[in-house]
Amino acid sequence: DIQMTQSPSSLSASVGDRVTITCRASQSISSYLNWYQQKPGKAPKLLIYAASSLQSGVPSRFSGSGSGTDFTLTISSLQPEDFATYYCQQSYSTPPETFGPGTKVDIK
Amino acid sequence: EVQLVESGGGLVKPGGSLRLSCAASGFTFSSYSMNWVRQAPGKGLEWVSSISSSSSYIYYADSVKGRFTISRDNAKNSLYLQMNSLRAEDTAVYYCARRAGARYYYMDVWGKGTTVTVSS
Repeated sequence: DIQMTQSPSSLSASVGDRVTITCRASQSISSYLNWYQQKPGKAPKLLIYAASSLQSGVPSRFSGSGSGTDFTLTISSLQPEDFATYYCQQSYSTPPETFGPGTKVDIK
Repeated sequence: EVQLVESGGGLVKPGGSLRLSCAASGFTFSSYSMNWVRQAPGKGLEWVSSISSSSSYIYYADSVKGRFTISRDNAKNSLYLQMNSLRAEDTAVYYCARRAGARYYYMDVWGKGTTVTVSS
């Protein structure tokens, strides 16, 4: 099975900051990488699919990049509603549809 | 409005059974594969099971294989998860999610989840 890791596991940032989260796959997954946002007590929400495609309705301050084993989610200017946990997920080799352990973004 | 609504969660004793349901609306349910994903308290997301649009392909996580059964009724726009021999470690919020995409697959619609607690 493909294993996913994320770094950092948590970070503190201020409104307006540029935030970068990294996801790494245990083997090459081409661009089969998705990013989700989850707020406490809520269901996950799809942000980015196919590594860099923005899901409809998601603000343009979110962007994704990478291919192969290394991927990045960037929030260009952090907004109050962006404080949440972010998960990456690979869809290259399924099953299983593996998620990363998550990165919690909270207020500095 | 595209929507998924889970139900059937609750408190059950170890070794017991529970059947979760997920009602779909606002889209052609029979055209999509579906997933169950769970989240234990304070933990991350764990994929549990998938079923293709016509039920031809079914997959399970190793952690639930042999104990859980996924099924669907396209006529009723419903997805199910029969959970038997439940263990404390199955305690989680269970989400149903639509699996979308053509070449690149992703889970684009999620329900709000239903909570399963396994405890004596």
